[in-house]
Amino acid sequence: NAGVTQTPKFQVLKTGQSMTLQCAQDMNHEYMSWYRQDPGMGLRLIHYSVGAGITDQGEVPNGYNVSRSTTEDFPLRLLSAAPSQTSVYFCASSDREQTNYGYTFGSGTRLTVV
Amino acid sequence: EDQVTQSPEALRLQEGESSSLNCSYTVSGLRGLFWYRQDPGKGPEFLFTLYSAGEEKEKERLKATLTKKESFLHITAPKPEDSATYLCAVLPTYNFNKFYFGSGTKLNVKP
Repeated sequence: NAGVTQTPKFQVLKTGQSMTLQCAQDMNHEYMSWYRQDPGMGLRLIHYSVGAGITDQGEVPNGYNVSRSTTEDFPLRLLSAAPSQTSVYFCASSDREQTNYGYTFGSGTRLTVV
Repeated sequence: EDQVTQSPEALRLQEGESSSLNCSYTVSGLRGLFWYRQDPGKGPEFLFTLYSAGEEKEKERLKATLTKKESFLHITAPKPEDSATYLCAVLPTYNFNKFYFGSGTKLNVKP
């Protein structure tokens, strides 16, 4: 089925380790974003991209890197994991007319940093 | 500062008991206000977009309305399957990529 695919679904990291959260969409959407969701704080934007080769920072970018080499893929890299990065991470995509349909979200990655 | 506040944080209803969820916002220029539904362990699912004050949208037992300062999600005769967290988000006119989300209202409908 068409949509946004995130892997892995669950991950436990030790402080200082690095990892990449994968995100892929097959809807040919131009816009892709990464959010983190923490209890009582809502979804907060980490990084976003408006097309292949173009990325920009969101509200909480520190400790995360992104790149967009293709339209389909938008990986999120944690450089040196910290306990404060324990969260649920969502990737989302939309087309240029996002005001009509909003985002399509993936099912999330639950990350625990110990 | 642009922000979105949702109330109440949690709402418990009996099946058939109608109620409303509130989303108040401050943004310098509103391009759109969005409502999403989120089930446990899943990503948010798009429900509605509202663009201007006075606009209303309906889907089954849900009706969303918009004023210049807030939006309401009215739930008429809810069923247990309506139990979920409902999220509100605004998209400002000055940046088409930065949605501002509220922290959500967790709705529990008991049979």
